[in-house]
Amino acid sequence: GENVEQHPSTLSVQEGDSAVIKCTYSDSASNYFPWYKQELGKRPQLIIDIRSNVGEKKDQRIAVTLNKTAKHFSLHITETQPEDSAVYFCAAHSPGGSYIPTFGRGTSLIVHP
Amino acid sequence: NAGVTQTPKFQVLKTGQSMTLQCAQDMNHEYMSWYRQDPGMGLRLIHYSVGAGITDQGEVPNGYNVSRSTTEDFPLRLLSAAPSQTSVYFCASSPGQYNSPLHFGNGTRLTVT
Repeated sequence: GENVEQHPSTLSVQEGDSAVIKCTYSDSASNYFPWYKQELGKRPQLIIDIRSNVGEKKDQRIAVTLNKTAKHFSLHITETQPEDSAVYFCAAHSPGGSYIPTFGRGTSLIVHP
Repeated sequence: NAGVTQTPKFQVLKTGQSMTLQCAQDMNHEYMSWYRQDPGMGLRLIHYSVGAGITDQGEVPNGYNVSRSTTEDFPLRLLSAAPSQTSVYFCASSPGQYNSPLHFGNGTRLTVT
């Protein structure tokens, strides 16, 4: 089955800096990669996603890049703000996986004012 | 649309008690699933369903039962609660196309004493 590794587990940055979270996956057939943000005490919510026919996708201060050859995808947050502080989860969907996403273990992002 | 509704929000059980966590969605989603979230462990899949009348086990199914008699509802039953089942439980749904993101409920915080 699919395996997703997510790094780092904790990331601490100063407000205004950029943050990058990286995930690697094992199943070369995986072709959908969502990212979820979970604020403290809240539910995970989709913030951005990318499909395997696209190399990069941007939405204001966040972007996701995908390298299919290396089997990794990354979340980039620019000009970080304190409200970006949260746990971020990556996931990979495989055609053989019956709609079931495989999640990374999460990254706790702390943005210091 | 209310989205994914979970009840209760909080629950305290004694060891050996049973209870049902409720999950309902009003988006006509085919796929529904239950996750538990423990510190440092990310989101672990308990059970899932790809449609009414169909359920299957996830990564950590022991101690839990599910059923899917309607498209809308997917209850999770704890038959005999144990302290190891103390966790936050999330129900999630998606349309069923395999490249669709999950919609999460607000979670149930369960404590077993």
